[in-house]
Amino acid sequence: GAVVSQHPSRVICKSGTSVKIECRSLDFQATTMFWYRQFPKQSLMLMATSNEGSKATYEQGVEKDKFLINHASLTLSTLTVTSAHPEDSSFYICSASPDRGYEQYFGPGTRLTVT
Amino acid sequence: AQSVTQLDSQVPVFEEAPVELRCNYSSSVSVYLFWYVQYPNQGLQLLLKYLSGSTLVKGINGFEAEFNKSQTSFHLRKPSVHISDTAEYFCAVSETSYDKVIFGPGTSLSVIP
Repeated sequence: GAVVSQHPSRVICKSGTSVKIECRSLDFQATTMFWYRQFPKQSLMLMATSNEGSKATYEQGVEKDKFLINHASLTLSTLTVTSAHPEDSSFYICSASPDRGYEQYFGPGTRLTVT
Repeated sequence: AQSVTQLDSQVPVFEEAPVELRCNYSSSVSVYLFWYVQYPNQGLQLLLKYLSGSTLVKGINGFEAEFNKSQTSFHLRKPSVHISDTAEYFCAVSETSYDKVIFGPGTSLSVIP
């Protein structure tokens, strides 16, 4: 079946630094990937839609200069949290679909803690 | 715009008892509906999905859900729960099966021994 991986699974960084999270589709190509954020005991909130070879589409209220998304290939999308602050601590989850007409598959998530 | 409502934030139920987790959605177009389960500190696992066809959908781990278009509902049921079913359950909707997914607020299911 279709598998989506994320790396790292957990990361701790200091306030003010930047951290990059990778999302890979392991056995299929994904033109579009999605990035979600989940606060403790809350639901997943869509942050942005990542399109291969073009700019990401951000949801209202999401700072595109703070959450940089790069979809450089059909199997890799990266989310970079720039100048991270403690309030950016969260669980970040990506998803991808093999092609139009197929369901989305979710990655296992990345736990970011900013100290 | 699409939205999803899960009326029960927490549902405690005794082991081997039946359970129903409620989900209602709103959308101006036809939608695809999903139920996901999330165990503590883990990612999402798809329980079942409704894309078209039969309104009664069977999923993994003995769960099933029924799509009711007139009531815009997609309630999740299991006839007999197990301790291992304790988790967070999310109802979700999208306009197509590959489009962005909008999640409900989640229902925390606690199975009591």
